[in-house]
Amino acid sequence: DAGVTQSPTHLIKTRGQQVTLRCSPKSGHDTVSWYQQALGQGPQFIFQYYEEEERQRGNFPDRFSGHQFPNYSSELNVNALLLGDSALYLCASSRTIGGYTFGSGTRLTVV
Amino acid sequence: KNEVEQSPQNLTAQEGEFITINCSYSVGISALHWLQQHPGGGIVSLFMLSSGKKKHGRLIATINIQEKHSSLHITASHPRDSAVYICAVGIRGGGADGLTFGKGTHLIIQP
Repeated sequence: DAGVTQSPTHLIKTRGQQVTLRCSPKSGHDTVSWYQQALGQGPQFIFQYYEEEERQRGNFPDRFSGHQFPNYSSELNVNALLLGDSALYLCASSRTIGGYTFGSGTRLTVV
Repeated sequence: KNEVEQSPQNLTAQEGEFITINCSYSVGISALHWLQQHPGGGIVSLFMLSSGKKKHGRLIATINIQEKHSSLHITASHPRDSAVYICAVGIRGGGADGLTFGKGTHLIIQP
C-alpha cells in the first residue's frame, strides 16, 4: 500500500514563473493538507482540501492556490514565483480527522 | 510568541543515553503529533496523542493536557535515531485540522 506520493521530487524555476506540484494521498484518506518548509524552519500550513474544496487556509497569499480531484489527489499551484518561495513543499493526507501520513516533499528552488 | 515551543533546539548525546524532547503549546488542541524528519525532507508520523501516554518500541510520548505540555522520550538511543523531531498540534475549534508546527529539535546521537 503506497503512502503519500509527491511529484516531482525536485524542481528549479525562474522568478516570475508558475509551478504545479502534485500529491496522491494514502489509500483510504480523503483529506489533503499542504505545508511549506523553509530551510531550518518548521513547516507552515498552506491549506487543506476535503471533498474537492479548500476547507482551511493558512497565512499565504492568493498566489498559492490548489485543487483536489474526485480521486482525492491534489495539486498546489504557485503563480508569479518569488525567490522566497524556495522551500520544501510537503503534502500530508488524513481521513477527515486523524493521523497524518506525510509525503517526502517537493524541493522547489526559485532562481 | 509561537503557539508551539520545543526544547532543546539542538541536542547531542552518546549512544545509549535516555533522550527527552519537550513541547509546550499555548492554545486548545484537538491532538498533538510527534514527527520525525530525516535529511532530505521526508516526515514520518511517530505518535498522535490527545491524552495520556503512548509507546512504540524505544519511543515513548506523553501529554499533560492541563499543563499544555508533551514530551518525547527515546530509550537506549542509537545513531540511527539522529534526525529532527517535530511537535505539531491540531488547533481545536478550527473545523479543519491543519497542523501548527514547532521549529523542531535537531538530535544527533554519537556512537
